[in-house]
Amino acid sequence: KAGVTQTPRYLIKTRGQQVTLSCSPISGHRSVSWYQQTPGQGLQFLFEYFSETQRNKGNFPGRFSGRQFSNSRSEMNVSTLELGDSALYLCASSLGQGIVETQYFGPGTRLLVL
Amino acid sequence: DQQVKQNSPSLSVQEGRISILNCDYTNSMFDYFLWYKKYPAEGPTFLISISSIKDKNEDGRFTVFLNKSAKHLSLHIVPSQPGDSAVYFCAASDGTSYGKLTFGQGTILTVHP
Repeated sequence: KAGVTQTPRYLIKTRGQQVTLSCSPISGHRSVSWYQQTPGQGLQFLFEYFSETQRNKGNFPGRFSGRQFSNSRSEMNVSTLELGDSALYLCASSLGQGIVETQYFGPGTRLLVL
Repeated sequence: DQQVKQNSPSLSVQEGRISILNCDYTNSMFDYFLWYKKYPAEGPTFLISISSIKDKNEDGRFTVFLNKSAKHLSLHIVPSQPGDSAVYFCAASDGTSYGKLTFGQGTILTVHP
C-alpha cells in the first residue's frame, strides 16, 4: 500500500507571496492532519480534515488555511508569506474512524521564504 | 506551555546495548501516546503506541512503558542497532481533539557500532 505523498518536496517563495501544498493520504484513510515543524517550536498542529470538513484547528493565524477533496486529498494554503513561515510542513493521514488514532506521515514539504 | 517534554536532547549508546528514551507530560487528559522515529529529510515514522489503560506495550525490539501517576513514558530499544540512529519523538492525544497530536521536542539517538 502506498504511503502518504506530499508535493512539492521543496519550495522557495518570497515574502508576500502565497503557496499551496498538496497531500495524498494512504488509500482508505479519510482523515488528514497538517503540522508545521520548525527548529524553535517543534512539530505543531495546524488543522485536521475529514470528509471535506475541518474538524479541528490549531493556534495559527488565518493566513493558514486548508481544504479536503472528495477523494480525501488535501491542500493547505499560506497567504502573504512571512519569513517565519519557513518550515517543514508535514501531513499525516489516519482512518478517521475515531478521535484517537495512529497517524502516518508523509515526507513533508520544505518551504523557504526569502 | 510545553505539554509534552523530552528533556534529553541527545542520547549516545553502543550497538547491542539498551536505549532508553524518556518523555514527560503535564496534561492529565492525555490518554494515548505514540513514539515516532524521524530520519533527516523524511517524515516521522510510527514506531509504537500505548493507551492509558495499559502500562506496557511491546513490538519486537521496542517496548513502551507508561507510568500514569508520574505522567511519564519511556521507549526501550533492545538491542540497539546503528540503523536506529535518528530523532525520536513522543506524541500524545487527549481523546477529545480530532487529529491533533502534541509532540515533544525530540531526542537524537546515536548508536555507535
